[in-house]
Amino acid sequence: ETGVTQSPTHLIKTRGQQVTLRCSSQSGHNTVSWYQQALGQGPQFIFQYYREEENGRGNFPPRFSGLQFPNYSSELNVNALELDDSALYLCASSLTGQPTTREFFGPGTRLTVL
Amino acid sequence: AQTVTQSQPEMSVQEAETVTLSCTYDTSESDYYLFWYKQPPSRQMILVIRQEAYKQQNATENRFSVNFQKAAKSFSLKISDSQLGDAAMYFCAYRSRIQGAQKLVFGQGTRLTINP
Repeated sequence: ETGVTQSPTHLIKTRGQQVTLRCSSQSGHNTVSWYQQALGQGPQFIFQYYREEENGRGNFPPRFSGLQFPNYSSELNVNALELDDSALYLCASSLTGQPTTREFFGPGTRLTVL
Repeated sequence: AQTVTQSQPEMSVQEAETVTLSCTYDTSESDYYLFWYKQPPSRQMILVIRQEAYKQQNATENRFSVNFQKAAKSFSLKISDSQLGDAAMYFCAYRSRIQGAQKLVFGQGTRLTINP
């Protein structure tokens, strides 16, 4: 249904390591949002990028950081991984400036921290 | 801050019957969007239906319809003629129309099982 892709599909890291997750947005979209979904929970907003700048942030510590590139793809970086960072990470692309915009979600990256 | 509550962790229904999933939300804003998303085991979040708060008419999409009660801050999803492919986690979500980060606020989800 969507043209949003994420890589990798699965990832296993150990506590204290760093990880980078990637998201390729839907063609024509200029905004990417990242969400963390713990097992059995609803997704929680991490942050959003619009035109390569952070455009809002949820209640996540600074060790969660991101980038958006000129082609509107995005990265989520997490430093000093903790066990509680184990979750499904979803990215969603949308078109800011269009009143009826909707989010298109990628399939997610499952991160396991041991 | 806006909150979304889904009080039914699990629901089940017989194939071909009708089921209603409940959602309530809390906000001080008057203009916003409400959504129902479906998340099958494949994990991809799929938009089922969307409602704009300024529209009084309830949204419908084929077998899916909503009952939007703005004063009560209630937004339930009705699935008619349930099919096996409807089995999934369903999330209710809110999004403000105020300028700034257009983040989605999700509920905890309802797991829907379809019995053949």
